[in-house]
Amino acid sequence: DAKTTQPNSMESNEEEPVHLPCNHSTISGTDYIHWYRQLPSQGPEYVIHGLTSNVNNRMASLAIAEDRKSSTLILHRATLRDAAVYYCILRDLVDMRFGAGTRLTVKP
Amino acid sequence: DGGITQSPKYLFRKEGQNVTLSCEQNLNHDAMYWYRQDPGQGLRLIYYSQIVNDFQKGDIAEGYSVSREKKESFPLTVTSAQKNPTAFYLCASAGTSGGYNEQFFGPGTRLTVL
Repeated sequence: DAKTTQPNSMESNEEEPVHLPCNHSTISGTDYIHWYRQLPSQGPEYVIHGLTSNVNNRMASLAIAEDRKSSTLILHRATLRDAAVYYCILRDLVDMRFGAGTRLTVKP
Repeated sequence: DGGITQSPKYLFRKEGQNVTLSCEQNLNHDAMYWYRQDPGQGLRLIYYSQIVNDFQKGDIAEGYSVSREKKESFPLTVTSAQKNPTAFYLCASAGTSGGYNEQFFGPGTRLTVL
């Protein structure tokens, strides 16, 4: 039952990069690393996912350690709209298991 | 306009009553999921379905039931056996159940038991 560990909260200034860490030391070879974010009273929104290589999309970048035991979500320029709870999740063939996530606060 | 719809947004029920939460998707996805979220917590999996007419229990299935008679629909019934049903309920779907597929979430239903 692979699990992830994230800091409870982080702060960032607007327009600056944000690095959100995630530890997943018990990851298995078939687990994909997914990141979602959630605004209050809304459903989670997909951000990015990867398996072994670093990934980039229009929202963020995902840096995956060589041993896959940790990863970092990178928001290149934080905006006020990026304030949310960010979940790092290991997704296997069947489902996803969410932890408590990291609450990101963005200061103007 | 593809997506997942959940209705109603807010639901109130009296203790001891069963209630059914609706979830519909027009994304042509095979896999569908139900999660529960309590205040300040992450999501917990209730039930999931990888294909029509088949579903499996998640981590907290007790007191809940589902059906998957159509690909587009995955209703969740919260029964009177669920001891603490007040929560935020989220439905999701994915192309398949493989780890490489992201899940798309609906807007959620907030259930309050009076």
